[in-house]
Amino acid sequence: DVKVTQSSRYLVKRTGEKVFLECVQDMDHENMFWYRQDPGLGLRLIYFSYDVKMKEKGDIPEGYSVSREKKERFSLILESASTNQTSMYLCASSLWQRTLYGYTFGSGTRLTVV
Amino acid sequence: GQNIDQPTEMTATEGAIVQINCTYQTSGFNGLFWYQQHAGEAPTFLSYNVLDGLEEKGRFSSFLSRSKGYSYLLLKELQMKDSASYLCAAGGNSGYALNFGKGTSLLVTP
Repeated sequence: DVKVTQSSRYLVKRTGEKVFLECVQDMDHENMFWYRQDPGLGLRLIYFSYDVKMKEKGDIPEGYSVSREKKERFSLILESASTNQTSMYLCASSLWQRTLYGYTFGSGTRLTVV
Repeated sequence: GQNIDQPTEMTATEGAIVQINCTYQTSGFNGLFWYQQHAGEAPTFLSYNVLDGLEEKGRFSSFLSRSKGYSYLLLKELQMKDSASYLCAAGGNSGYALNFGKGTSLLVTP
């Protein structure tokens, strides 16, 4: 069964900490994405990558960075966590064509910044 | 960017049919997706439309009109397990990325 795995289901961090959210997929997908999901706001795109070492800003990249050193792994980095980054973070991957099957999502990481 | 609108909440009765509408405004449109998301879980893929018309898959069907910027998801023979959030998403200017609507929370009642 194909999978997108996010390293943590729940995470609590302190304001100002550097936070790493890891995502690994085993489907040899070219594209990987990071979204955050908040009540009333839906899913908002933070960053995405269509190849190793490539990255593109989404709609809300401020306060975040990403790393993709290997095809299967896409990391989201909160350089200095703030309380307004408390959210559910969803990683997804897709084939480069992105047709027919859309995204496969990970189970999500619920991050709380205190 | 893209603007994707769908109703916030809907309620329907077990065994009935429900239609969830989605309108979108986007340039460079290249496909419309529907996802289902149960509370506390990740979204799962339901359907994809790139051409006008109806795509049927079991109890679920999805329709697209590109000229009207309009799609709907039709759920037949509703079951209690269909209570979930339904997300409309469109591909466009962000290359391979999808833009999502805020989701429609569907409650199926006995």
